[in-house]
Amino acid sequence: GDSVTQMEGPVTLSEEAFLTINCTYTATGYPSLFWYVQYPGEGLQLLLKATKADDKGSNKGFEATYRKETTSFHLEKGSVQVSDSAVYFCALSDPGDSSYKLIFGSGTRLLVRP
Amino acid sequence: NAGVTQTPKFRVLKTGQSMTLLCAQDMNHEYMYWYRQDPGMGLRLIHYSVGEGTTAKGEVPDGYNVSRLKKQNFLLGLESAAPSQTSVYFCASSTRQGPEGEQFFGPGTRLTVL
Repeated sequence: GDSVTQMEGPVTLSEEAFLTINCTYTATGYPSLFWYVQYPGEGLQLLLKATKADDKGSNKGFEATYRKETTSFHLEKGSVQVSDSAVYFCALSDPGDSSYKLIFGSGTRLLVRP
Repeated sequence: NAGVTQTPKFRVLKTGQSMTLLCAQDMNHEYMYWYRQDPGMGLRLIHYSVGEGTTAKGEVPDGYNVSRLKKQNFLLGLESAAPSQTSVYFCASSTRQGPEGEQFFGPGTRLTVL
């Protein structure tokens, strides 16, 4: 079945450092790919998405490119801030599944120190 | 516009007790989902609904029941709680956009079963 694998955390960075969180997926079709963010004590929020190969999703300085050849959707940000400290989830939705449910990775906790 | 709300926010149960978690959304969304979040495992789908009066099983449905009597509400029931059901429960909703559609999440219910 479909699955998502994320790098294990926590990831600890200093403010203004470069961020990469790796995400790879397994799917039979051509899924839509998402990054969701969960701030402490809150629910998940959509950060960005990409729906086809070579699409780049971007939001709030974060970017991720849908790489079909490597089945990856790595999250990057050029300069992180303390306010980016959160848990980041990579997820996919299979167009062949009429429920449109999300399949999540295990999440990566990011801690940004001042 | 409150989005997705969940009640209660916290609950402690004894083994064998029953309870119902309520999810409500005011966005007129067709699709609703219940996930559970456990450390190191991301979110896993329990049950979902593609419209009023319909429900279906997700990845981890055992020990749970659901009902969608009204479009805006999605109830998750535990008939006989077990310690393995200690988790954080998230409800989500989405429109019938397809696999690229965003899911909107509630703030979560933290349940402890002793």
